[in-house]
Amino acid sequence: NAGVMQNPRHLVRRRGQEARLRCSPMKGHSHVYWYRQLPEEGLKFMVYLQKENIIDESGMPKERFSAEFPKEGPSILRIQQVVRGDSAAYFCASSPSYGELKTEAFFGQGTRLTVV
Amino acid sequence: SQQGEEDPQALSIQEGENATMNCSYKTSINNLQWYRQNSGRGLVHLILIRSNEREKHSGRLRVTLDTSKKSSSLLITASRAADTASYFCATDAGGYIFGTGTRLKVLA
Repeated sequence: NAGVMQNPRHLVRRRGQEARLRCSPMKGHSHVYWYRQLPEEGLKFMVYLQKENIIDESGMPKERFSAEFPKEGPSILRIQQVVRGDSAAYFCASSPSYGELKTEAFFGQGTRLTVV
Repeated sequence: SQQGEEDPQALSIQEGENATMNCSYKTSINNLQWYRQNSGRGLVHLILIRSNEREKHSGRLRVTLDTSKKSSSLLITASRAADTASYFCATDAGGYIFGTGTRLKVLA
């Protein structure tokens, strides 16, 4: 059972371009979470998705950022018109349940976005 | 603001000593979890403690939870150089909400 797979591992974009980050959750997991981490800082929650639904996007910037988790295929975090301040590591996590019996989250290795 | 706040932000100890990290949170929870992150890598789950539990052990790890104070502590006993990492607590408020982390350095 492969773990959470994120790709690409490293992504370089010029200012104004679009960045698309992909996350394939663990098999059997229907909950996906995206986080952003700046160097030497903690993980900042961005968005929580279930299949075809956004459950909580309270951590997502209102502009340029969007996320989806389609019925088929990986979850996508899209950043339009990237700026230097978007440079960070973006982590995806998945879990198999929610609510009273919520279990641990399993993390991917992250995508390191560099905006030049 | 972050749901969890770890304390201290950084900790440096000698190999063999115990390391204690604390976490405070703001809202009611169903469970609290501790994770470890090695430099530049994804987080690895260490231990989960439910809101009706007060203490839990896993190997050299001991976690306590005080829901009345909205706080938890992680104790690593007989630390090793390989324990050098950042440690985060997370609560299950919707998406997992992480604190800012404690950077632990264990000196050989």
